[in-house]
Amino acid sequence: EIVLTQSPATLSLSPGERATLSCRASQSVSNFLAWYQQKPGQAPRLLIYDASNRATGIPARFSGSGSGTDFTLTISSLEPEDFAVYYCQHRSNWPFTFGPGTKVDIK
Amino acid sequence: QVQVVQSGAQVKKPGASVKVSCKASGYTFTDFHIHWVRQAPGQGLEWVGWINPKNGAANYAPKFLGRVTMTRDTSISTAYMELSSLRSEDTAVYYCTRDRKPAVVTWFDYWGPGTQLTVSS
Repeated sequence: EIVLTQSPATLSLSPGERATLSCRASQSVSNFLAWYQQKPGQAPRLLIYDASNRATGIPARFSGSGSGTDFTLTISSLEPEDFAVYYCQHRSNWPFTFGPGTKVDIK
Repeated sequence: QVQVVQSGAQVKKPGASVKVSCKASGYTFTDFHIHWVRQAPGQGLEWVGWINPKNGAANYAPKFLGRVTMTRDTSISTAYMELSSLRSEDTAVYYCTRDRKPAVVTWFDYWGPGTQLTVSS
């Protein structure tokens, strides 16, 4: 089973700042990695798939990069609605797994 | 527009079984795989498995093999997840989610609101 590690666990930033979230895989997942956003009491929402493609309706301030074992989700300028938990997930093989999440909260 | 509606919260005793439903609308039900993902209280996300509504084929995470069964009823565009031999650790919100692309397994795009399962004696 591929283990995904996310860092940092918590990121405290102010609106307008840049957020950089990391996801590392225990073995190569090629570009088979996605990012999801989850707000309290809500279902997750797909942000980025195949490492760098924005899902439908996702603002351009969200971008993804990386391949192999190291991936990054960048939010160029945080909006108030972006404070949430972010999960990475791979689909390189079974079972699909998620990272433990990074919480982006207001500083 | 695509909508995914799930059955309501359930409380079960240890050792019992539960069956959660997921009704999809706004697209051709048999064209897209349905995945199930769960989230224990205050915890992260865990993939349970998927079902291909076209032919009923399913694939389960090893952790759930022997305890989970995914089925579907194409006449009412509904997928089901049944989990047996319940234990307290199965207490979680169970989400069903539709795949992003037709006919293949990719990413989890449209999500239901989740079904709270509580396992308690």
